[in-house]
Amino acid sequence: AQSVTQPDIHITVSEGASLELRCNYSYGATPYLFWYVQSPGQGLQLLLKYFSGDTLVQGIKGFEAEFKRSQSSFNLRKPSVHWSDAAEYFCAVGAFGAAGNKLTFGGGTRVLVKP
Amino acid sequence: EPEVTQTPSHQVTQMGQEVILRCVPISNHLYFYWYRQILGQKVEFLVSFYNNEISEKSEIFDDQFSVERPDGSNFTLKIRSTKLEDSAMYFCATRTSGTMETQYFGPGTRLLVL
Repeated sequence: AQSVTQPDIHITVSEGASLELRCNYSYGATPYLFWYVQSPGQGLQLLLKYFSGDTLVQGIKGFEAEFKRSQSSFNLRKPSVHWSDAAEYFCAVGAFGAAGNKLTFGGGTRVLVKP
Repeated sequence: EPEVTQTPSHQVTQMGQEVILRCVPISNHLYFYWYRQILGQKVEFLVSFYNNEISEKSEIFDDQFSVERPDGSNFTLKIRSTKLEDSAMYFCATRTSGTMETQYFGPGTRLLVL
């Protein structure tokens, strides 16, 4: 069975500083990996996804993530954080088979941005 | 940009009561999902639905839960007899066909069982 671990529950970063959120997954086959963001009172918005090909993927809002198979990781990065990036971030792995395609989520990392 | 919508945004109910949570998928989406997030815990998969059938369900999705597309547009989750532990945020997600298509999430319904 697949699983996702996000080791950091909270991260506080200063506005303009860089941000890296860690994600480790466990999945028996080629993983399909996602990062979603949840702002207060909002649903889950897709930031980026990895299915195959280039292991560095670009997403919306200036985010990128790098897939490292050897480390079973899919860390999310942003070079310069804006106050509007304060939110909760979820990493997820997709299990694709038949029509199921369920997502398994990590516990989330809450990002606080200091002025 | 098309969005998944959910109603109600919040619902408070008494233990043992039935609740129905509603989702309106994006119009060309054919695959539907329910997830839930108990406060402070992970987002968990409940059920997937395609072609008017359940494709997959988790251990959480027991006989108290059911899903349907009553009118070809709405997608509902019914909890027949709510328990305290059903209190959670419930998310609907939908996607188009194709195994690698992104799931688009609605804003959620916060359910509180008293």
